[in-house]
Amino acid sequence: DTAVSQTPKYLVTQMGNDKSIKCEQNLGHDTMYWYKQDSKKFLKIMFSYNNKELIINETVPNRFSPKSPDKAHLNLHINSLELGDSAVYFCASSQEGSGYTFGSGTRLTVV
Amino acid sequence: KNEVEQSPQNLTAQEGEFITINCSYSVGISALHWLQQHPGGGIVSLFMLSSGKKKHGRLIATINIQEKHSSLHITASHPRDSAVYICADNTGNQFYFGTGTSLTVIP
Repeated sequence: DTAVSQTPKYLVTQMGNDKSIKCEQNLGHDTMYWYKQDSKKFLKIMFSYNNKELIINETVPNRFSPKSPDKAHLNLHINSLELGDSAVYFCASSQEGSGYTFGSGTRLTVV
Repeated sequence: KNEVEQSPQNLTAQEGEFITINCSYSVGISALHWLQQHPGGGIVSLFMLSSGKKKHGRLIATINIQEKHSSLHITASHPRDSAVYICADNTGNQFYFGTGTSLTVIP
Protein backbone atom coordinates (compact mmCIF):
# COMPACT_ATOMS: atom_id res chain seq x y z
CA ASP A 1 0.00 0.00 0.00
CA THR A 2 1.82 3.06 -1.25
CA ALA A 3 0.92 6.12 0.81
CA VAL A 4 1.77 8.73 -1.83
CA SER A 5 1.97 7.45 -5.38
CA GLN A 6 3.09 9.34 -8.44
CA THR A 7 2.80 8.34 -12.06
CA PRO A 8 4.64 8.06 -14.27
CA LYS A 9 8.00 7.39 -12.65
CA TYR A 10 9.84 8.44 -15.79
CA LEU A 11 8.67 10.78 -18.52
CA VAL A 12 10.59 11.67 -21.65
CA THR A 13 8.97 14.16 -23.97
CA GLN A 14 9.75 16.73 -26.63
CA MET A 15 9.90 20.46 -26.18
CA GLY A 16 6.58 22.17 -26.68
CA ASN A 17 4.48 19.23 -25.56
CA ASP A 18 1.91 19.33 -22.78
CA LYS A 19 2.16 16.66 -20.10
CA SER A 20 0.65 15.72 -16.76
CA ILE A 21 2.00 13.99 -13.69
CA LYS A 22 -0.49 12.38 -11.36
CA CYS A 23 -0.33 12.13 -7.59
CA GLU A 24 -2.58 10.28 -5.19
CA GLN A 25 -2.39 9.88 -1.41
CA ASN A 26 -4.33 7.41 0.69
CA LEU A 27 -3.38 8.89 4.05
CA GLY A 28 -6.35 11.17 4.47
CA HIS A 29 -4.02 14.17 4.63
CA ASP A 30 -5.47 17.63 4.11
CA THR A 31 -2.60 19.22 2.24
CA MET A 32 -0.68 18.16 -0.84
CA TYR A 33 2.43 19.62 -2.45
CA TRP A 34 4.52 19.61 -5.55
CA TYR A 35 8.27 20.06 -5.33
CA LYS A 36 10.91 20.34 -8.03
CA GLN A 37 14.43 19.01 -7.57
CA ASP A 38 16.88 20.32 -10.14
CA SER A 39 20.04 18.76 -11.48
CA LYS A 40 21.99 20.13 -8.53
CA LYS A 41 19.63 18.29 -6.20
CA PHE A 42 18.20 21.54 -4.88
CA LEU A 43 14.58 21.22 -3.75
CA LYS A 44 12.06 23.96 -4.30
CA ILE A 45 8.40 24.01 -3.44
CA MET A 46 6.10 24.73 -6.36
CA PHE A 47 2.61 24.49 -4.91
CA SER A 48 0.81 23.63 -1.74
CA TYR A 49 -2.90 22.91 -1.82
CA ASN A 50 -5.61 21.95 0.58
CA ASN A 51 -9.33 22.02 0.14
CA LYS A 52 -9.35 25.67 1.04
CA GLU A 53 -6.35 27.28 -0.45
CA LEU A 54 -3.86 27.03 -3.28
CA ILE A 55 -0.51 28.59 -2.53
CA ILE A 56 1.68 29.16 -5.53
CA ASN A 57 5.36 29.85 -5.40
CA GLU A 58 5.58 33.07 -7.36
CA THR A 59 8.69 31.90 -9.17
CA VAL A 60 6.84 29.03 -10.85
CA PRO A 61 5.96 29.78 -14.50
CA ASN A 62 2.26 29.84 -15.25
CA ARG A 63 2.83 26.96 -17.69
CA PHE A 64 2.63 24.82 -14.55
CA SER A 65 -0.79 24.33 -13.05
CA PRO A 66 -2.01 22.03 -10.28
CA LYS A 67 -5.36 20.34 -10.60
CA SER A 68 -7.09 18.71 -7.66
CA PRO A 69 -10.20 16.69 -8.53
CA ASP A 70 -10.56 15.70 -4.88
CA LYS A 71 -8.72 15.78 -1.58
CA ALA A 72 -6.69 12.65 -2.37
CA HIS A 73 -5.34 13.82 -5.72
CA LEU A 74 -3.16 16.66 -6.89
CA ASN A 75 -2.05 16.44 -10.50
CA LEU A 76 0.54 18.64 -12.14
CA HIS A 77 -0.07 19.89 -15.66
CA ILE A 78 2.75 21.40 -17.64
CA ASN A 79 2.13 23.24 -20.91
CA SER A 80 4.67 24.01 -23.62
CA LEU A 81 7.47 22.08 -22.00
CA GLU A 82 10.95 23.60 -22.10
CA LEU A 83 14.38 22.05 -21.71
CA GLY A 84 14.76 23.74 -18.33
CA ASP A 85 11.75 21.87 -17.01
CA SER A 86 13.83 18.70 -16.90
CA ALA A 87 14.01 17.72 -13.24
CA VAL A 88 12.64 15.32 -10.69
CA TYR A 89 9.20 16.30 -9.45
CA PHE A 90 8.07 15.11 -6.03
CA CYS A 91 4.56 15.04 -4.71
CA ALA A 92 4.00 15.06 -0.95
CA SER A 93 1.19 15.26 1.55
CA SER A 94 0.88 16.29 5.16
CA GLN A 95 -1.58 16.71 7.96
CA GLU A 96 -1.30 19.62 10.39
CA GLY A 97 0.93 18.70 13.29
CA SER A 98 2.52 15.73 11.57
CA GLY A 99 5.38 15.26 9.16
CA TYR A 100 5.37 14.87 5.45
CA THR A 101 5.10 11.82 3.24
CA PHE A 102 6.75 12.04 -0.15
CA GLY A 103 6.06 10.19 -3.35
CA SER A 104 8.94 8.42 -5.07
CA GLY A 105 9.38 11.15 -7.66
CA THR A 106 8.86 11.56 -11.40
CA ARG A 107 11.95 12.10 -13.50
CA LEU A 108 10.99 14.39 -16.37
CA THR A 109 13.35 14.72 -19.31
CA VAL A 110 12.55 17.24 -22.01
CA VAL A 111 14.41 16.70 -25.28
CA LYS B 1 14.24 36.16 1.82
CA ASN B 2 15.06 33.30 4.13
CA GLU B 3 18.49 31.80 3.78
CA VAL B 4 18.89 28.23 4.95
CA GLU B 5 22.43 27.05 5.24
CA GLN B 6 23.67 23.60 6.07
CA SER B 7 27.07 22.40 7.13
CA PRO B 8 29.00 20.46 6.25
CA GLN B 9 28.13 19.99 2.58
CA ASN B 10 29.84 16.61 2.49
CA LEU B 11 30.68 14.30 5.34
CA THR B 12 32.44 10.95 5.45
CA ALA B 13 32.40 8.97 8.67
CA GLN B 14 33.47 5.59 9.94
CA GLU B 15 30.77 3.20 11.02
CA GLY B 16 29.91 3.78 14.66
CA GLU B 17 30.83 7.44 14.74
CA PHE B 18 28.57 10.13 16.16
CA ILE B 19 27.50 12.52 13.42
CA THR B 20 26.20 16.06 13.57
CA ILE B 21 24.73 18.05 10.70
CA ASN B 22 23.95 21.70 11.24
CA CYS B 23 21.29 23.97 9.80
CA SER B 24 20.88 27.70 10.27
CA TYR B 25 18.12 29.91 8.97
CA SER B 26 17.70 33.65 8.86
CA VAL B 27 13.98 34.23 9.36
CA GLY B 28 11.62 33.01 12.06
CA ILE B 29 9.94 29.68 11.43
CA SER B 30 6.68 27.84 11.83
CA ALA B 31 8.53 24.54 11.75
CA LEU B 32 11.91 23.13 10.82
CA HIS B 33 12.01 19.90 8.84
CA TRP B 34 14.74 17.34 8.39
CA LEU B 35 14.49 15.17 5.30
CA GLN B 36 16.55 12.20 4.16
CA GLN B 37 17.11 11.40 0.50
CA HIS B 38 18.64 8.04 -0.30
CA PRO B 39 20.80 7.38 -3.36
CA GLY B 40 17.76 5.88 -5.07
CA GLY B 41 16.12 9.30 -4.90
CA GLY B 42 13.27 8.68 -2.46
CA ILE B 43 12.68 11.32 0.20
CA VAL B 44 11.69 10.53 3.76
CA SER B 45 10.57 13.08 6.31
CA LEU B 46 12.58 12.48 9.47
CA PHE B 47 11.50 15.24 11.81
CA MET B 48 9.33 18.28 12.03
CA LEU B 49 10.05 20.45 15.04
CA SER B 50 9.40 23.95 16.23
CA SER B 51 11.09 23.78 19.62
CA GLY B 52 13.28 21.60 21.80
CA LYS B 53 14.34 18.16 20.76
CA LYS B 54 12.96 15.06 19.10
CA LYS B 55 14.36 11.54 18.99
CA HIS B 56 13.61 8.64 16.73
CA GLY B 57 15.79 5.58 17.09
CA ARG B 58 19.39 6.65 16.55
CA LEU B 59 18.39 10.04 15.19
CA ILE B 60 18.06 13.16 17.31
CA ALA B 61 16.99 16.60 16.10
CA THR B 62 17.36 19.74 18.16
CA ILE B 63 16.42 23.33 17.54
CA ASN B 64 17.38 26.61 19.18
CA ILE B 65 14.82 29.20 18.21
CA GLN B 66 16.79 32.15 19.62
CA GLU B 67 19.89 31.22 17.67
CA LYS B 68 17.91 30.14 14.58
CA HIS B 69 19.82 26.91 14.47
CA SER B 70 18.98 23.23 14.28
CA SER B 71 21.13 20.12 14.43
CA LEU B 72 20.58 16.56 13.32
CA HIS B 73 22.57 13.96 15.22
CA ILE B 74 23.09 10.33 14.29
CA THR B 75 24.41 8.05 16.98
CA ALA B 76 26.27 4.82 16.20
CA SER B 77 26.25 5.59 12.48
CA HIS B 78 25.81 2.78 10.00
CA PRO B 79 26.46 2.50 6.25
CA ARG B 80 22.70 2.48 5.65
CA ASP B 81 22.63 6.03 7.02
CA SER B 82 24.46 7.12 3.87
CA ALA B 83 22.16 9.62 2.23
CA VAL B 84 21.64 13.33 1.64
CA TYR B 85 20.11 15.12 4.62
CA ILE B 86 18.14 18.26 3.89
CA CYS B 87 16.76 20.80 6.30
CA ALA B 88 13.80 22.93 5.36
CA ASP B 89 12.41 26.02 7.01
CA ASN B 90 8.63 26.18 6.89
CA THR B 91 7.62 29.79 7.43
CA GLY B 92 3.94 30.41 6.97
CA ASN B 93 3.08 28.91 3.60
CA GLN B 94 6.63 29.01 2.31
CA PHE B 95 9.34 26.39 2.37
CA TYR B 96 13.02 27.20 2.11
CA PHE B 97 15.39 24.31 1.61
CA GLY B 98 19.02 23.94 2.46
CA THR B 99 21.33 22.55 -0.19
CA GLY B 100 21.74 19.28 1.64
CA THR B 101 24.52 17.42 3.40
CA SER B 102 25.80 14.34 1.66
CA LEU B 103 26.75 11.72 4.26
CA THR B 104 28.78 8.62 3.51
CA VAL B 105 29.32 6.11 6.30
CA ILE B 106 32.15 3.69 5.63
CA PRO B 107 32.07 0.17 7.11
